[in-house]
Amino acid sequence: DVKVTQSSRYLVKRTGEKVFLECVQDMDHENMFWYRQDPGLGLRLIYFSYDVKMKEKGDIPEGYSVSREKKERFSLILESASTNQTSMYLCASSLGPADQETQYFGPGTRLLVL
Amino acid sequence: DAKTTQPNSMESNEEEPVHLPCNHSTISGTDYIHWYRQLPSQGPEYVIHGLTSNVNNRMASLAIAEDRKSSTLILHRATLRDAAVYYCILLSGNTGKLIFGQGTTLQVKP
Repeated sequence: DVKVTQSSRYLVKRTGEKVFLECVQDMDHENMFWYRQDPGLGLRLIYFSYDVKMKEKGDIPEGYSVSREKKERFSLILESASTNQTSMYLCASSLGPADQETQYFGPGTRLLVL
Repeated sequence: DAKTTQPNSMESNEEEPVHLPCNHSTISGTDYIHWYRQLPSQGPEYVIHGLTSNVNNRMASLAIAEDRKSSTLILHRATLRDAAVYYCILLSGNTGKLIFGQGTTLQVKP
């Protein structure tokens, strides 16, 4: 079974702090994604990556950056956390570039920015 | 990106079949129809997907209209563990981007 793990289930940070959210997948998947989920807004794509050192902006990249130095790891960075970034963050991975590929999600990180 | 429309919520009784509808009138010829579900406090999980033909797997069946403007996810015998939010998604071209809508919250009554 594909396993996608996220570094924390719950995180509390203060406004202005730099925040790192880590995601690791163990199935040699090419694609990795970061979403955030908010009540009434559903899941929205922040950034995605098709390969090591490659990144593409999703629908809401403002205030975020990402890093993919190794194939199995995709990090989401909040350079200066703000209260409107309080949310559930979900990481996902998929095997390859084909448009029918299943995405496998991690359990999520619930981030609270005070 | 093509959008989908689903009812906000549905109810079902345990052990009965459930038909979850989805409208996608602006679907393009290369869009795949995916269904995911999200159980409470978990990330979404894949359920099923299809392009034109009906599909069956161990979790569910997917019935796709001939004009592809709508589809129905069928759970043959609902269990309490099937209570979740079900998302109907059109996979965007060849980018692999999932565009999530609001989904349908399924409540299963014992």
